[in-house]
Amino acid sequence: QVQLQEWGAGLLKPSETLSLTCAVYGGSFSGYYWTWIRQPPGKGLEWIGESLPGGNTNYNPSLKSRLAISIDTSKSQVSLTVASVTAADTAIYYCARAGFRGGSNYLFDYWGQGILVTVSS
Amino acid sequence: IVMTQTPLSLSVTPGQPASISCKSSQSLLLGDGRTCLYWYLQRPGQSPQLLIYEVFRRFSGVPDRFSGSGSGTDFTLKISRVETEDVGIYYCMQGIHLPYTFGPGTKLEIK
Repeated sequence: QVQLQEWGAGLLKPSETLSLTCAVYGGSFSGYYWTWIRQPPGKGLEWIGESLPGGNTNYNPSLKSRLAISIDTSKSQVSLTVASVTAADTAIYYCARAGFRGGSNYLFDYWGQGILVTVSS
Repeated sequence: IVMTQTPLSLSVTPGQPASISCKSSQSLLLGDGRTCLYWYLQRPGQSPQLLIYEVFRRFSGVPDRFSGSGSGTDFTLKISRVETEDVGIYYCMQGIHLPYTFGPGTKLEIK
């Protein structure tokens, strides 16, 4: 059974850098797209970005200048950094898996439990 | 791509059907004939979970009371007989153009 687990600092001050890591257990890491999605408290879902197999990345243009996603295949981990955070970055951050198999795109078939990051002075 | 959903909330008696509409501002049809529309359920206090992929394909373990339909820009999620465990927020999402975008969500409650 595939499991994803996020961790990182849960409380930040404005202008600090958000850093989260997601570890993948129980399944293959290679060959999948590893994605970050966030959800402000009580609000909807926002796709942040993804790491493709091989390490290329795609980012949401709304965050692109502050965003970095990287993978460590040897550890089956994907990391997210968001620079210069503001209160608007307060959200639950989820990592999720996407892949292509059997002729279909499985977008976000497995999700982590999410981690709440609060930005407050 | 902007995704819209109606209704934004609905209250359903157990055993009764429910239907949620999702519309995209652009076609979600790929050149190979697949359509990249997805449905997720977020139960209270939980992470979202994949219900339906590519319009109508049920993800592993999803009960067959859930069904998806539609094409192009108009899509529907139907629950044939609502159960208490179906409570939560349902999101549609387009997976054809980056950035992927979600609908605002439809909150399903039990009467």
